[in-house]
Amino acid sequence: AQSVTQPDIHITVSEGASLELRCNYSYGATPYLFWYVQSPGQGLQLLLKYFSGDTLVQGIKGFEAEFKRSQSSFNLRKPSVHWSDAAEYFCAVGVRGSQGNLIFGKGTKLSVKP
Amino acid sequence: EAGVAQSPRYKIIEKRQSVAFWCNPISGHATLYWYQQILGQGPKLLIQFQNNGVVDDSQLPKDRFSAERLKGVDSTLKIQPAKLEDSAVYLCASSPLGQLVSYNEQFFGPGTRLTVL
Repeated sequence: AQSVTQPDIHITVSEGASLELRCNYSYGATPYLFWYVQSPGQGLQLLLKYFSGDTLVQGIKGFEAEFKRSQSSFNLRKPSVHWSDAAEYFCAVGVRGSQGNLIFGKGTKLSVKP
Repeated sequence: EAGVAQSPRYKIIEKRQSVAFWCNPISGHATLYWYQQILGQGPKLLIQFQNNGVVDDSQLPKDRFSAERLKGVDSTLKIQPAKLEDSAVYLCASSPLGQLVSYNEQFFGPGTRLTVL
């Protein structure tokens, strides 16, 4: 069965520092991969997605992610974190042929120190 | 462009009561999803509609949960009777008409936070 693992429940970084959030997936074929961000009391907003092609994808708000097939990973990165990036981040796998079903990880909560 | 609308935003009920949530997707989006997000977990798909037909309801607890999308636009999700473990945020999402060979972005509403006492 497909699954998504986000090993870090909570991460704290200083403002201006770099960020990497880890995501590993289990899926029998090349998946569709997504990162969403959820601010308190808000719905999920798509940061970026990978369908095929270039394994380094750029998203909104200065985020990027790299698909590594050999490691079954899709880690999210940002070179310099801003206080407004504090939120919860979810990695998700889209099942091909499912007409849109997403399987989410449990999320990583990001706190930003001034 | 207006986003996905959900109401109410918050609901507190006692166990064994019934509750209903409403969702209005983005105009023109044929696919609508309901997710359950329990505290500390990622969203879990409950049901997916394409227009007014059900595509996937395999994870919907059908003994107590029901959902409909009668005119292929807005949708309601109902729980009757509610249990303590139903306390969660219920998210609605929509996406443009899907095709079997493509994958469409899902746009999420703000959710309804349900507390069952």
